Amino acid sequence: RKEVEQDPGPFNVPEGATVAFNCTYSNSASQSFFWYRQDCRKEPKLLMSVYSSGNEDGRFTAQLNRASQYISLLIRDSKLSDSATYLCVVSLYGGSQGNLIFGKGTKLSVKP
Amino acid sequence: DGGITQSPKYLFRKEGQNVTLSCEQNLNHDAMYWYRQDPGQGLRLIYYSQIVNDFQKGDIAEGYSVSREKKESFPLTVTSAQKNPTAFYLCASSIVGDIQYFGAGTRLSVL
Repeated sequence: RKEVEQDPGPFNVPEGATVAFNCTYSNSASQSFFWYRQDCRKEPKLLMSVYSSGNEDGRFTAQLNRASQYISLLIRDSKLSDSATYLCVVSLYGGSQGNLIFGKGTKLSVKP
Repeated sequence: DGGITQSPKYLFRKEGQNVTLSCEQNLNHDAMYWYRQDPGQGLRLIYYSQIVNDFQKGDIAEGYSVSREKKESFPLTVTSAQKNPTAFYLCASSIVGDIQYFGAGTRLSVL
């Protein structure tokens, strides 16, 4: 059974807050992991890949725990422009077939 | 500019009609994909193609057809057999095994 689960939210936070999203995946053979961002009625856009060692890009930090089959995204110092839906994405094959499994997304709303 | 172009942005289908959604990319990507997104739902894979003249069914291929005659183009036809076609359709492309990049999408509705 292939599945990626996320808390749908919405997460309503004030500007400047730190917010964390979690995601679990069911298939232990999953190879690659990503966070995409999707604005309302727009296409998903890659936010960052997630590596086993964890990775950071400015205010965004992603973590992967293969043993627990768990991925997280931390956003520090939230901006109004961070308001969007964040999609957790897992690749079962990591290469040859390339198709991705998308979570339903976690909605974030940053308020002034 | 390099990118993925989907057209039209909005499309309306009458009962019993086949409609075709266009997807063109100039990124020189070998792989192309079609997804469907329903409100509050994750993206679901319809078809994908890793090379010209070859394509594979995804999770929800019934009622859809595709062709891949050119590397740059991967049109999706929503046939009359698809009884619930109203959705947001997204095309993506990638270097095989690499990150996927999406077009702006086509919103299909039934008249």
